[in-house]
Amino acid sequence: GDSVTQMEGPVTLSEEAFLTINCTYTATGYPSLFWYVQYPGEGLQLLLKATKADDKGSNKGFEATYRKETTSFHLEKGSVQVSDSAVYFCALDSSNYKLTFGKGTLLTVNP
Amino acid sequence: NAGVTQTPKFQVLKTGQSMTLQCAQDMNHEYMSWYRQDPGMGLRLIHYSVGAGITDQGEVPNGYNVSRSTTEDFPLRLLSAAPSQTSVYFCASMNIAANEQFFGPGTRLTVL
Repeated sequence: GDSVTQMEGPVTLSEEAFLTINCTYTATGYPSLFWYVQYPGEGLQLLLKATKADDKGSNKGFEATYRKETTSFHLEKGSVQVSDSAVYFCALDSSNYKLTFGKGTLLTVNP
Repeated sequence: NAGVTQTPKFQVLKTGQSMTLQCAQDMNHEYMSWYRQDPGMGLRLIHYSVGAGITDQGEVPNGYNVSRSTTEDFPLRLLSAAPSQTSVYFCASMNIAANEQFFGPGTRLTVL
């Protein structure tokens, strides 16, 4: 079945540091890929998405590229801020809008 | 436009009690779903609905019932709560054309 593996957290960075959160997937066919963000005490918000190979999703300075050859969708940001502290989830949709999530990565950014 | 709303925000039940978690959306989305979030496990799909009158099981449906009498509402019922159902529950609705799901703020449920 479908699965998503993302790097274990927690990840702690200083403000303005470079962020990478790795995500790899196993799926049948050609899934859509997503990154969701969950701020403390809130629900999940869509951060970015990509629907086909080599697509790059981007939003709020975050980027991720759909790499079919390596089945990866790594999240990157060049300069993190304290306000980026949250839990980040990688997810895929390969069949009829049912999302499969990774376990989540807690990011803490210190001033 | 309130988006996806869930009630209650918090609930404590005793083993064997029943309750309904409410979910409503005002975006006229056909597709709605329920997920549970457990520490270290991400979110897992419980049930989903592709429109009024149509529901189906997700990955972890046991112990839960759903119905979809209107486009707006998608309640989740626990008939006999068990400690294993202690979790945070999220409802979502989907804009299919944009391939984007919108999540509610969640219900934190504790079963003693």
